[in-house]
Amino acid sequence: DAGVIQSPRHEVTEMGQEVTLRCKPISGHDYLFWYRQTMMRGLELLIYFNNNVPIDDSGMPEDRFSAKMPNASFSTLKIQPSEPRDSAVYFCASRLSGRGTYEQYFGPGTRLTVT
Amino acid sequence: GIQVEQSPPDLILQEGANSTLRCNFSDSVNNLQWFHQNPWGQLINLFYIPSGTKQNGRLSATTVATERYSLLYISSSQTTDSGVYFCAMDPGGGADGLTFGKGTHLIIQP
Repeated sequence: DAGVIQSPRHEVTEMGQEVTLRCKPISGHDYLFWYRQTMMRGLELLIYFNNNVPIDDSGMPEDRFSAKMPNASFSTLKIQPSEPRDSAVYFCASRLSGRGTYEQYFGPGTRLTVT
Repeated sequence: GIQVEQSPPDLILQEGANSTLRCNFSDSVNNLQWFHQNPWGQLINLFYIPSGTKQNGRLSATTVATERYSLLYISSSQTTDSGVYFCAMDPGGGADGLTFGKGTHLIIQP
C-alpha cells in the first residue's frame, strides 16, 4: 500500500506568488492533517479534516493560508500571497479511525522556499 | 495549551552505546507516537504507544500514562540511528492533532 503522497517535494517561489501544496492520504483513511516544520517553531499543526470536513483550523497562521479537501483522496494547502517567512517543510499526515488506534502516518514533506 | 517536553535536547554517543530519551507531557494521552527524522527530513514512525511497553529490534518504548511520561530506549547504537527523535501526543476528546516536542538530536559517532 502506498503511503501518504505529497507534491511537489521541493518548491522555490518568489515573494507574492501563489503556492499550492498537494496531498494524497493513505487509501481509506478518514483523517487528514497538515503540519509545518520550521527551525523557530518546530513541528506544528496547521489544520485537520475528518471525512473531508475541516475540524480545526486554529493553527493556520493567517488568512493567506487556506486548505481544502474536495474528496477523500486529495487535499491542497494554498498560500496566497507567499512571503519569505512561509519558508518551511510542510507535512501531510493521515489516520484511520475506528480500529482502536490513533496512529498518524506522515508523507515525505514539501520543502518550500520563498525568496 | 498542551506541553510536550523532551530531554536531553542533544546527545552524542559512540557506536555500540545505549541511550534513553525522555518525553514528558502535560495532559492525558489518547495518542502518543515516537518518530525518527532522518537526515533527508522524513518522519519515520517508530512506535505508537499511548500506554505500556513495546519493542522493535534494538528499540523499545514505554509510556506511563498516569505519570505523563514516555521513554525511548536505543540499544547498541549504530551510526544510522543518528537524527532527531520526536515525541508527539494528542489528548483526544476532539483534539486530534499531534503536539510535538522539540526533539532530541542524536549523533552516533563511529
